Amino acid sequence: QITLKESGPTLVKPTQTLTLTCIFSGFSLSTSGVGVGWIRQPPGKALEWLALIYWDDDKRYSPSLKTRLTITKDTSKNQVVLTMTNMDPVDTATYYCAHNYDSGGGPFDYWGQGTLVTVSS
Amino acid sequence: DIQMTQSPSSLSASVGDRVSITCRASQSISTYLNWYQQKPGRAPKVLIYGASSLQRGVPTRFSGSGSGTDFTLTISSLQPEDSASYYCQQSYSTPYTFGQGTKLEIK
Repeated sequence: QITLKESGPTLVKPTQTLTLTCIFSGFSLSTSGVGVGWIRQPPGKALEWLALIYWDDDKRYSPSLKTRLTITKDTSKNQVVLTMTNMDPVDTATYYCAHNYDSGGGPFDYWGQGTLVTVSS
Repeated sequence: DIQMTQSPSSLSASVGDRVSITCRASQSISTYLNWYQQKPGRAPKVLIYGASSLQRGVPTRFSGSGSGTDFTLTISSLQPEDSASYYCQQSYSTPYTFGQGTKLEIK
């Protein structure tokens, strides 16, 4: 059974760096074709794809946020970490991590519950 | 980036109706198209992957079609529990962009 869960601060101040952790179980990020991605959703708005890390440590980022994002994995701890620098109120959103397969060509078939991050002074 | 455009942005239909939502990609994505359902306060759930493959456990009233740039999600007989937002997403090339969503309301 695959599960994922996001954790991190619920409130960050503008200009601060956000660090989110995705802890997963039921699969290994060392298995060929597997990836973990991050997707966010501002309140009442659409889903936005942020980043994806593959089993072979290949990393992909949203071009519009690339300079602010870093995604890393710790295979031994079954964790993926996303950092986003220089947070702004427009980054207020629910952040999800999700499992992906087929080297990205498949869907996000398992999702965490999401964590709401509010950016405010 | 590949842009994904859904239509309509919202619709209202009755129980038992046949409903279709369309998604258009800004360039060909073959059949690398996924559909998600999201209910308020919940994470999205994949319904269709590869444009037309039904995810395990999803009711057969959901179906997907299309290839290239034009895709359709169809609900053959709308049920009350289908009230939700629906998103398409391309998994052809990164960034794996989502459509803007379609909010489906049951009359």
